[in-house]
Amino acid sequence: AQSVSQHNHHVILSEAASLELGCNYSYGGTVNLFWYVQYPGQHLQLLLKYFSGDPLVKGIKGFEAEFIKSKFSFNLRKPSVQWSDTAEYFCAVNFYNAGNMLTFGGGTRLMVKP
Amino acid sequence: GEEVAQTPKHLVRGEGQKAKLYCAPIKGHSYVFWYQQVLKNEFKFLISFQNENVFDETGMPKERFSAKCLPNSPCSLEIQATKLEDSAVYFCASSPILTGGNEQFFGPGTRLTVL
Repeated sequence: AQSVSQHNHHVILSEAASLELGCNYSYGGTVNLFWYVQYPGQHLQLLLKYFSGDPLVKGIKGFEAEFIKSKFSFNLRKPSVQWSDTAEYFCAVNFYNAGNMLTFGGGTRLMVKP
Repeated sequence: GEEVAQTPKHLVRGEGQKAKLYCAPIKGHSYVFWYQQVLKNEFKFLISFQNENVFDETGMPKERFSAKCLPNSPCSLEIQATKLEDSAVYFCASSPILTGGNEQFFGPGTRLTVL
């Protein structure tokens, strides 16, 4: 079965530090890729998505992600984090051979120290 | 509405009791999805609908779980005879038909606690 891996379970950064969260998936076919954020006490919000085209995707709040097909990766980046970025981040993949359901990674809890 | 609405926010049931959760998708969205989040992180797909028709039910434990999306009514997810392991947050998501159901907007979830 296809799977999605987020290797960093907990990340602690100071404000203004750069962020990169890893996401890998186990499938060589066509995929749609997503990053969601869940702020404390709130529901999942879509940060950015990749369907096709430019593999460097820009999302909301200064986030971006790069799809590297050869590495089956879709890492999330932000050049300078803020305290308000403290949240749980989930990578999700739609595998074309699995209908339109999303398969989620295990999440990464980011804490930004002021 | 502009957001996916889920009710109730919290639900507590004794083992063996029935639980029913509701979801109102974003107006105009054709796809509805149910996911179960156990242990805060693990999301599991349960079922999806295209309008009132089941689209994909590969994740549903069919013995005790059922779901419906009827016209002009909120969608529902029902668990007969709940078990302790059903304790989880149940998220509903909806998606417009233009994206083929791929771009999903999530509701706030219903936290089910089975005692």
